[in-house]
Amino acid sequence: KAGVTQTPRYLIKTRGQQVTLSCSPISGHRSVSWYQQTPGQGLQFLFEYFSETQRNKGNFPGRFSGRQFSNSRSEMNVSTLELGDSALYLCASSLAGQGYEQYFGPGTRLTVT
Amino acid sequence: QKEVEQNSGPLSVPEGAIASLNCTYSDRVSQSFFWYRQYSGKSPELIMSIYSNGDKEDGRFTAQLNKASQYVSLLIRDSQPSDSATYLCAVHTDTGNQFYFGTGTSLTVIP
Repeated sequence: KAGVTQTPRYLIKTRGQQVTLSCSPISGHRSVSWYQQTPGQGLQFLFEYFSETQRNKGNFPGRFSGRQFSNSRSEMNVSTLELGDSALYLCASSLAGQGYEQYFGPGTRLTVT
Repeated sequence: QKEVEQNSGPLSVPEGAIASLNCTYSDRVSQSFFWYRQYSGKSPELIMSIYSNGDKEDGRFTAQLNKASQYVSLLIRDSQPSDSATYLCAVHTDTGNQFYFGTGTSLTVIP
């Protein structure tokens, strides 16, 4: 079974721009969660989608948004990028939610200059 | 108090020894517990999940859960240099659908 895929793997953007990241979960998994990882803050939860509905949200500003499509693929968008948004963005898929085993994709490394 | 706490280490053990990693959590009603391994520059990899009190073994790894004391641990037997990584503890609570990662413990296995 193919694992979780994320595209692109690397991105360089400038302040004020917006970015869209994509995640394809493991086949059959209906839950996709997004995390931000930085050296200073560790892994922080952004949001979780299940069957196209946002089911849970972390403590991030409204510039961070996401969606999930009917095939369970998910995208996250960050608008008006700030330098502090530079991080590794990880998505994880699971059968039914964060209470189940989650499998991570390789991540998207975003650098904001 | 953080929801999930781990000793950041670094923890160093000689090759062949048992590495013991500990994690405490604050929400008494947490129900699902996970250990992830993360190599430098890579994404987290699921090692173990545990849902009920006691021990769960998978190869060289044993997860131990004690809900009364609110801690979960990971034992790595016969540690190998390839086990050198950061180990992340994660906890989920159905009530409120809360999920938290610890900050991780850095493990170095010395050949």
